[in-house]
Amino acid sequence: DAGVIQSPRHEVTEMGQEVTLRCKLISGHNSLFWYRQTMMRGLELLIYFNNNVPIDDSGMPEDRFSAKMPNASFSTLKIQPSEPRDSAVYFCASSANLQGTETQYFGPGTRLLVL
Amino acid sequence: ILNVEQSPQSLHVQEGDSTNFTCSFPSSNFYALHWYRWETAKSPEALFVMTLNGDEKKKGRISATLNTKEGYSYLYIKGSQPEDSATYLCAFREGSNYKLTFGKGTLLTVNP
Repeated sequence: DAGVIQSPRHEVTEMGQEVTLRCKLISGHNSLFWYRQTMMRGLELLIYFNNNVPIDDSGMPEDRFSAKMPNASFSTLKIQPSEPRDSAVYFCASSANLQGTETQYFGPGTRLLVL
Repeated sequence: ILNVEQSPQSLHVQEGDSTNFTCSFPSSNFYALHWYRWETAKSPEALFVMTLNGDEKKKGRISATLNTKEGYSYLYIKGSQPEDSATYLCAFREGSNYKLTFGKGTLLTVNP
């Protein structure tokens, strides 16, 4: 079975450009989580969805960040305009549902560098 | 903001040594505690999910205990091997929402 798929794996862009990160959930999973990993703050939850519906976006840093789930298996995280402080590794994870004992399966991450 | 602390931040041991590290979390409104193993250049992989006070879980040479009343969990590795080198993350879920709040991890390096 394919795990969580993220693309691109690496992205280098210039400040002010739009960045779109993509995530494909594990087949049959209903919940999707976007995380950001930085040295200073560790792994932070940005937003999560259940059955395509955003449940909690309180971790999204500011209006420049937006996330969508256009169908049950796919999600995008967009940063517009990007800034150097957005440089981080962005992970998405999926789980079968939102029960607290359900394991979250992480994708390989997208390493973003904004110059 | 929930406070999930892990200690030590990093740890160097020799092959064959046994080791342990700690995750502390709020003792109120506990729902579950997750442990993940994160190798460099890979993605975090689930080790254990623990829900009951006094829970003990084991997978091979790795085991974990849980104390929800005092708000801590220990992860033990018996007879460390170089392939155990990784960052070990714990993540806390409180009962009122579905978020996992992660600690910053313990970086374990096992020297051959």
